[in-house]
Amino acid sequence: GIQVEQSPPDLILQEGANSTLRCNFSDSVNNLQWFHQNPWGQLINLFYIPSGTKQNGRLSATTVATERYSLLYISSSQTTDSGVYFCAVWSGGSNYKLTFGKGTLLTVNP
Amino acid sequence: SAVISQKPSRDICQRGTSLTIQCQVDSQVTMMFWYRQQPGQSLTLIATANQGSEATYESGFVIDKFPISRPNLTFSTLTVSNMSPEDSSIYLCSGTGDGYIQYFGAGTRLSVL
Repeated sequence: GIQVEQSPPDLILQEGANSTLRCNFSDSVNNLQWFHQNPWGQLINLFYIPSGTKQNGRLSATTVATERYSLLYISSSQTTDSGVYFCAVWSGGSNYKLTFGKGTLLTVNP
Repeated sequence: SAVISQKPSRDICQRGTSLTIQCQVDSQVTMMFWYRQQPGQSLTLIATANQGSEATYESGFVIDKFPISRPNLTFSTLTVSNMSPEDSSIYLCSGTGDGYIQYFGAGTRLSVL
């Protein structure tokens, strides 16, 4: 099956700093989503981005499908950005199954 | 987008007992899924909940341990049977909406003593 690798595994920032999270995948994808899991465990959908670039406030994402990677940018980070960021992909078929990466644990200190 | 409600949000159970988790979506979704997230780990798909028929289980998960029902398009249940401490995890329900986008419930945090 498709492999999903995220980097870095851990990231510690000071409030106000910028960061880039990366997601590499081993096959072409029909769906790629970025999620934020907050400290209470809730998984929040950030972006649906199988290709191209999207922006939502301080967050933006870019997927280069031909090179099989996606980037999540966080600018002017805040303590509420802390948590785990997951990349998940679906490579096709009728089952819509998402395969998750292992995540990046982000800690933003005040 | 789809809003997915899951309950209970958390529970503490004794080994050997069973817990049923409910998942309700506010709109019709094409597919519904159940995931497990063990402590400090990523999400692993347990099964796809099929409306009116048996769920499709992933390798390593069996119906006797994780029976799933989906009587209609907007409701599903997952039962964790004959629990042991190794079943302590977060269990999450998801559904597809707006095409391929998956939305997740808030999860059920299960602790087994």
